[in-house]
Amino acid sequence: ETGVTQTPRHLVMGMTNKKSLKCEQHLGHNAMYWYKQSAKKPLELMFVYSLEERVENNSVPSRFSPECPNSSHLFLHLHTLQPEDSALYLCASSPMGRNNEQFFGPGTRLTVL
Amino acid sequence: GIQVEQSPPDLILQEGANSTLRCNFSDSVNNLQWFHQNPWGQLINLFYIPSGTKQNGRLSATTVATERYSLLYISSSQTTDSGVYFCAVGDTGFQKLVFGTGTRLLVSP
Repeated sequence: ETGVTQTPRHLVMGMTNKKSLKCEQHLGHNAMYWYKQSAKKPLELMFVYSLEERVENNSVPSRFSPECPNSSHLFLHLHTLQPEDSALYLCASSPMGRNNEQFFGPGTRLTVL
Repeated sequence: GIQVEQSPPDLILQEGANSTLRCNFSDSVNNLQWFHQNPWGQLINLFYIPSGTKQNGRLSATTVATERYSLLYISSSQTTDSGVYFCAVGDTGFQKLVFGTGTRLLVSP
């Protein structure tokens, strides 16, 4: 595997389910990100981790819970979601530092029924 | 926070035509990237260009940081160039990318 991978690619869940999205980067980076792309809003940052420590939480509801066990893996745990949470969830990684290029995974398309 | 505007919002071209996409931003930036989003949602890196000019095949980009804009040039467009082009800039926060609303390009044969 190369670059940034995400699983699953598609997910359909009910509002009472609990599921997790997984991201893995094979680029030797040490910063990882979750972004959300909704149908009617621009791509927006959800979380940033640097060296496995959360450094930014962009006012995301607590029904989204990130986890970064090491610099190569990032999870987004989902519980009691709402239909308006249906979106494309994109993971990215970069070298640590303010001016570095970010690389994105293919995304997980989530539908909440 | 920083604002990013892209124009035009939509663009339809015949194969072989040239085009220029524009990105304006409201404050100084330390990072600017151009992406192409394919129909499956994947964001493909085109350029990392906080300033200056770069070229990659039929694509080139120029960022004039002092005037707060960047341009993406597509020459001899092909149907595979269709998709949404995003400009994203680094905000003053820790490595946060702020995205524009994109330019949707359709290249017809």
